[in-house]
Amino acid sequence: AQSVTQLGSHVSVSEGALVLLRCNYSSSVPPYLFWYVQYPNQGLQLLLKYTSAATLVKGINGFEAEFKKSETSFHLTKPSAHMSDAAEYFCAVSDDKIIFGKGTRLHILP
Amino acid sequence: DGGITQSPKYLFRKEGQNVTLSCEQNLNHDAMYWYRQDPGQGLRLIYYSQIVNDFQKGDIAEGYSVSREKKESFPLTVTSAQKNPTAFYLCASSPPGRGINQPQHFGDGTRLSIL
Repeated sequence: AQSVTQLGSHVSVSEGALVLLRCNYSSSVPPYLFWYVQYPNQGLQLLLKYTSAATLVKGINGFEAEFKKSETSFHLTKPSAHMSDAAEYFCAVSDDKIIFGKGTRLHILP
Repeated sequence: DGGITQSPKYLFRKEGQNVTLSCEQNLNHDAMYWYRQDPGQGLRLIYYSQIVNDFQKGDIAEGYSVSREKKESFPLTVTSAQKNPTAFYLCASSPPGRGINQPQHFGDGTRLSIL
């Protein structure tokens, strides 16, 4: 059965610092992987998706994620955090059906 | 612009009342989904529909009902049997095809509270 684990329900970084949000998955077949962002009282918005074309995936707002099969990971990164990046981030895995992680709330410190 | 519209934004329910949450999409998507979101629990699937006049239970369907009479519409009814209905409800849709490799598009949600 597929599953997805996001390490850290809350992450705080200083403005301008590196953002790293962790996601590990389990799947019996090569999965499709997604990162979504949710701002307060809004729906989820797709940041990026992995569909096996390339292991490094670039998304919107300067985010990217790297698929590492050996580590079963799909961590989300951004080189320099901005105050507007404060939101909740969800990793999702899909082979038979889509499963969402529990989310990581990103706090940006001035 | 195409998208998903959920209404109302905020909804209040009295004990023992049924309430219906609206979800309309103009993206021409075949599949539609309802999720419940509680703090710290991520998204949990309530019901989904791959095609008109057909729908399946998700992981937490008890106390909920849906219909899919039109491609564009997928309303969710929270019945009085749902003992803990206070949550943020999200509707989503995905493009035609098998769908598992297609990202889902989300509405802005309805926040349901008990009076």
